[in-house]
Amino acid sequence: QQQVKQSPQSLIVQKGGISIINCAYENTAFDYFPWYQQFPGKGPALLIAIRPDVSEKKEGRFTISFNKSAKQFSLHIMDSQPGDSATYFCAASIKAAGNKLTFGGGTRVLVKP
Amino acid sequence: NAGVTQTPKFQVLKTGQSMTLQCAQDMNHEYMSWYRQDPGMGLRLIHYSVGAGITDQGEVPNGYNVSRSTTEDFPLRLLSAAPSQTSVYFCASSYRGYLAEAFFGQGTRLTVV
Repeated sequence: QQQVKQSPQSLIVQKGGISIINCAYENTAFDYFPWYQQFPGKGPALLIAIRPDVSEKKEGRFTISFNKSAKQFSLHIMDSQPGDSATYFCAASIKAAGNKLTFGGGTRVLVKP
Repeated sequence: NAGVTQTPKFQVLKTGQSMTLQCAQDMNHEYMSWYRQDPGMGLRLIHYSVGAGITDQGEVPNGYNVSRSTTEDFPLRLLSAAPSQTSVYFCASSYRGYLAEAFFGQGTRLTVV
């Protein structure tokens, strides 16, 4: 039973386009929703994160949108660049449970020049 | 500044062999954890620790043991390797606080034949 479901599994976008990745969760106790970026051969690295009391967070070209009632959150990559080609993971955690991360299945993004 | 260091980077084991994956962090983080990454399944938590001498099971603990005798080190032991344990293993560490960023090592690619 996957507690965090991520879609799509992969996407191809042209340079300058918008990449959108969606995640849905089941456990309403989750209180922290980070996104991690992973390049081939490397470990995941934190990209951006949001708390459930905020509906949107923007850092540069990356934006998280959060819909608490629908139990969904998404990552938007604006003006996608070839250097953004990577695998992206959404995740969720519960502070009271030691901040253990529950990950989605990942989305492989390819930005074509 | 080394961060989280995992050794070895690659390992091939025969079914039934045992081995220890090493993980060390130099950031004085309280929390440490082990994940395995399999295609389409994201990262799944194997074991985690909230401090020296304290460990607990994650989502997929069977076949693995951990111990944490120091703040810096968190080794993962495979007791009797099975082909189903072929995966990429990541160690991560973080501070104890809410919204704490998890820092990942570069991973160990393990193949069990």
